[in-house]
Amino acid sequence: DAGVTQSPTHLIKTRGQQVTLRCSPKSGHDTVSWYQQALGQGPQFIFQYYEEEERQRGNFPDRFSGHQFPNYSSELNVNALLLGDSALYLCASSLQGANNEQYFGPGTRLTVT
Amino acid sequence: GEDVEQSLFLSVREGDSSVINCTYTDSSSTYLYWYKQEPGAGLQLLTYIFSNMDMKQDQRLTVLLNKKDKHLSLRIADTQTGDSAIYFCADRYTDKLIFGTGTRLQVFP
Repeated sequence: DAGVTQSPTHLIKTRGQQVTLRCSPKSGHDTVSWYQQALGQGPQFIFQYYEEEERQRGNFPDRFSGHQFPNYSSELNVNALLLGDSALYLCASSLQGANNEQYFGPGTRLTVT
Repeated sequence: GEDVEQSLFLSVREGDSSVINCTYTDSSSTYLYWYKQEPGAGLQLLTYIFSNMDMKQDQRLTVLLNKKDKHLSLRIADTQTGDSAIYFCADRYTDKLIFGTGTRLQVFP
């Protein structure tokens, strides 16, 4: 049973560029949440997708957008990258209506130069 | 907004028990979680407790919840060097998780 997978593992981008990160949820899960973890901090909630719609959003600007596909996989897009966007981006999957056990992938390390 | 706080560091001798503490502000909390993060890795769900429980035991892990004081703790019995990691407490607020800043557990021989 595959867990949550994310790609790519690492990414280096320049300020002003755009980036797309990908996530495949754990088998049987239908909900995907994205978190940003800055160095030395706890993860911060970006948004959550269920039934291909954004259900909740954290305190992140509109430069952060996402998408969920019919197979429940998800993408996180960040436009106009800033140096402060450098972080570990974590995807978590869960089953809607359950006790919200969220299982995390290994993350994508984004470095903006 | 909702907040979760943890102490930053804990150092214990191998074989001793570790107790990691967490406080939260959410009055309507339903579930509280403990995650483990090893260097360069994602978060591993260790255990969770429902808000109507006071204690939950899972092998070497014991979670204690004091709802009145909004205090959560994770006890690791017989701590091993492989337990060295950062431990995060998380509160379920609506459907999102609010994380603390993490407690770095260092286990020495």
